[in-house]
Amino acid sequence: GAGVSQSPRYKVAKRGQDVALRCDPISGHVSLFWYQQALGQGPEFLTYFQNEAQLDKSGLPSDRFFAERPEGSVSTLKIQRTQQEDSAVYLCASSPRNPTESNQPQHFGDGTRLSIL
Amino acid sequence: ILNVEQSPQSLHVQEGDSTNFTCSFPSSNFYALHWYRWETAKSPEALFVMTLNGDEKKKGRISATLNTKEGYSYLYIKGSQPEDSATYLCAPFGNEKLTFGTGTRLTIIP
Repeated sequence: GAGVSQSPRYKVAKRGQDVALRCDPISGHVSLFWYQQALGQGPEFLTYFQNEAQLDKSGLPSDRFFAERPEGSVSTLKIQRTQQEDSAVYLCASSPRNPTESNQPQHFGDGTRLSIL
Repeated sequence: ILNVEQSPQSLHVQEGDSTNFTCSFPSSNFYALHWYRWETAKSPEALFVMTLNGDEKKKGRISATLNTKEGYSYLYIKGSQPEDSATYLCAPFGNEKLTFGTGTRLTIIP
């Protein structure tokens, strides 16, 4: 399809395991964003990329969280040694222009629902 | 971190009625205000991006207004339909990123 694709849709992991979440943005989109949505909250910013460059990772909750976009297209969000508080929906979004352009709507994927047991 | 408030948190509206809800945000260093609609089991969908004080945008039965001086935006839905049931999220753009509110969950009663 032409939209943002995230996989897997659902992920269950045991506490302490590592997980990797994948995002395929819309082809040609320069900017890619990751958000974390906890139950009852709005999406919270984690990090963003302009092509392959990670320009802002101030929202990553701890050094267990790591994101990459090595070729400027597909991105992976990795969480090491998962904790129960990591349980959330992880949303990916992309936009065609630079991430600092305030008037660009973001195109979201369906998200990955992560549950840590 | 921007303080973004949306009210009400949830709302039940009879089909055919009109409704509105509010997004409040800091008025300083304003760049843009985004509205998204998020239906259950789907992805958030952009409704509007508003940048100018006094701006009003419309998409079918949905419209939004913006007051950047006092830091609020209203979203209006005219003649609610069941397909309008969703969570409506607002997000001001500041510090080079979007900060989302917790959303207004709208349920349309047939």
